[in-house]
Amino acid sequence: GENVEQHPSTLSVQEGDSAVIKCTYSDSASNYFPWYKQELGKGPQLIIDIRSNVGEKKDQRIAVTLNKTAKHFSLHITETQPEDSAVYFCAASRGGGGNKLTFGTGTQLKVEL
Amino acid sequence: SAVISQKPSRDICQRGTSLTIQCQVDSQVTMMFWYRQQPGQSLTLIATANQGSEATYESGFVIDKFPISRPNLTFSTLTVSNMSPEDSSIYLCSVGQGADYGYTFGSGTRLTVV
Repeated sequence: GENVEQHPSTLSVQEGDSAVIKCTYSDSASNYFPWYKQELGKGPQLIIDIRSNVGEKKDQRIAVTLNKTAKHFSLHITETQPEDSAVYFCAASRGGGGNKLTFGTGTQLKVEL
Repeated sequence: SAVISQKPSRDICQRGTSLTIQCQVDSQVTMMFWYRQQPGQSLTLIATANQGSEATYESGFVIDKFPISRPNLTFSTLTVSNMSPEDSSIYLCSVGQGADYGYTFGSGTRLTVV
């Protein structure tokens, strides 16, 4: 089955700096890669996703890149703000919402003033 | 995207008892998923629930421990049976809305077994 590795496990940045979180996956048939933000006491919230026919996707301060050959994808957050502090999870799936998601181990992001 | 209501939001239960968690969706969905998130850990899939068929369980999870019902396209329940402290976790339901869409999660049920 699919295996998703995520690094780093913790990340501390100064407000205004950029943050990068990286994931690798093992199943070459995976074609849907979402990123979730989980705040304390809440369920995961989708922040951005990318499909295997696209190499990069951007939404304001958040971007995701995908390298299918190397089987890795990354989350980039620019101009970080204190409200970006949370746990971020990457995930992978075959075919999007019709199939199960396999999650990475999570990254605790702390944005310091 | 779908809106999910999950109940209860938290509970403290005695060991040996059972708890049923409800997941209500505001639209009809084909796929519903139940996840467990142990303290400080990632999400692990327990089972996939399709309406009208038996749930499909992942390795390490069994129906006797985590029975699931899926009576219609907007509702599902997960029961955590004969609980022990090791079952203390957050339990989350999620829905998939087809291959062209993503997944939405409920807010979770924080379970503490004492």
